[in-house]
Formats: sequence, structure tokens, C-alpha cells
Amino acid sequence: DSGVTQTPKHLITATGQRVTLRCSPRSGDLSVYWYQQSLDQGLQFLIQYYNGEERAKGNILERFSAQQFPDLHSELNLSSLELGDSALYFCASSGRYGYTFGSGTRLTVV
Amino acid sequence: AQKITQTQPGMFVQEKEAVTLDCTYDTSDQSYGLFWYKQPSSGEMIFLIYQGSYDEQNATEGRYSLNFQKARKSANLVISASQLGDSAMYFCAMREPLIQGAQKLVFGQGTRLTINP
Repeated sequence: DSGVTQTPKHLITATGQRVTLRCSPRSGDLSVYWYQQSLDQGLQFLIQYYNGEERAKGNILERFSAQQFPDLHSELNLSSLELGDSALYFCASSGRYGYTFGSGTRLTVV
Repeated sequence: AQKITQTQPGMFVQEKEAVTLDCTYDTSDQSYGLFWYKQPSSGEMIFLIYQGSYDEQNATEGRYSLNFQKARKSANLVISASQLGDSAMYFCAMREPLIQGAQKLVFGQGTRLTINP
């Protein structure tokens, strides 16, 4: 157990739908990062939050949004889903021990 | 922007042999950090080893060591006495500083390592 918890582990949904992925960072870590891993694009940085505030944006589509709550857990919202959004979505937190990744949420859009 | 290059898409090694996974990087920053992660077929990303740009010694963690050659901008991962459980995808990554103290990890494309019995 890495200490970073992601739920759900698997998600199957239809095109056009909206889903929410959840992440609880390692205890004491204030930063949360979201990454997307797809076969054609590899591991792509989406967005970073630090102590509730957005810090940096990467290759995140406008259909995607995220937030970090006062208890430091984070949610990634994906809307108007397309087949190409099928991927493994990772959350990572950083702190004293560097970057720690969760086990990921595998999203399949059908 | 920083870039990580892993030139070996796949490698096949006999069990108990040592293996070196290549990683070269490109950055204009003086201070940076390099990471290696293992991703088994189950999908999770497992941290293996870290090397800071100012670290004088090559990093080691058990059977993992990092062959850091700063002038060549390479950070190869060496796995000694490979085991069947080492079969996985391996990613090299670099910490890239962004504006206002933000940062992100930039990943290479990965190397799929297969250990043969």
C-alpha cells in the first residue's frame, strides 16, 4: 500500500457520460497531481493542486476539471466522455518522501 | 521544456543476470531530480530510486542502482541479479519546475523488461 488511495479501481461508462475519480493523498502530503496514461500518449501530466489551490495545468482538456478539498482529498471530473478518454488515470502526492502514486483508476469508455 | 528518452522499447534478460535500462535527459536547469518507477502488469506505479543532480554518489536501493553520468545527461537503472518478478514496464522520470513553485514529473516512454527463467 503506497499510502495514496484511488477509487474506483475500474470504471466502465458510455460515451457522453460524466464520471468522478477520487484520490486521497499520502498522510501529510499537501500536493496532489493527476496523470493520464494512454497507449499512444504515454504518461501525461494533467493538473497539480497544493493545499486546496490549483498550482499547475498540463495537458488537461476543457471537459476535465479537478478540485482539492479542505481534507486534501482530490477529485477529477471527466465529462462528455469520448472513446479516446479510455486510459489509466493516476493520482500522485508529493512530500517528504518524493512522489507517491496511487494504484490508478482504469477508465473504459464504450 | 525537459525531455526524457528511453531508447529500449523492450528488453529480454535471463534470470539472475544484471540488466541496465537506459535513460537520457535534456534540461537546462542546474538543480533537478531523476526518478525510476516500475509498473507491473497490475498497473500500479512503484517508486524504485531517486537521484538528485547535486548528489555526489550514485543512488542505490537494494538490487537497484542508478548509474548517473551528469556530463552525458544519462541516468541508467541497473538491476542486479534479476528475478522473474522484475518483469514489468520501467519508467524514467524527471522533476520539471513550473511557475510559482509548482512542479511536475516528465516521463519517458518506458522500457518493457521481460525476465526469462
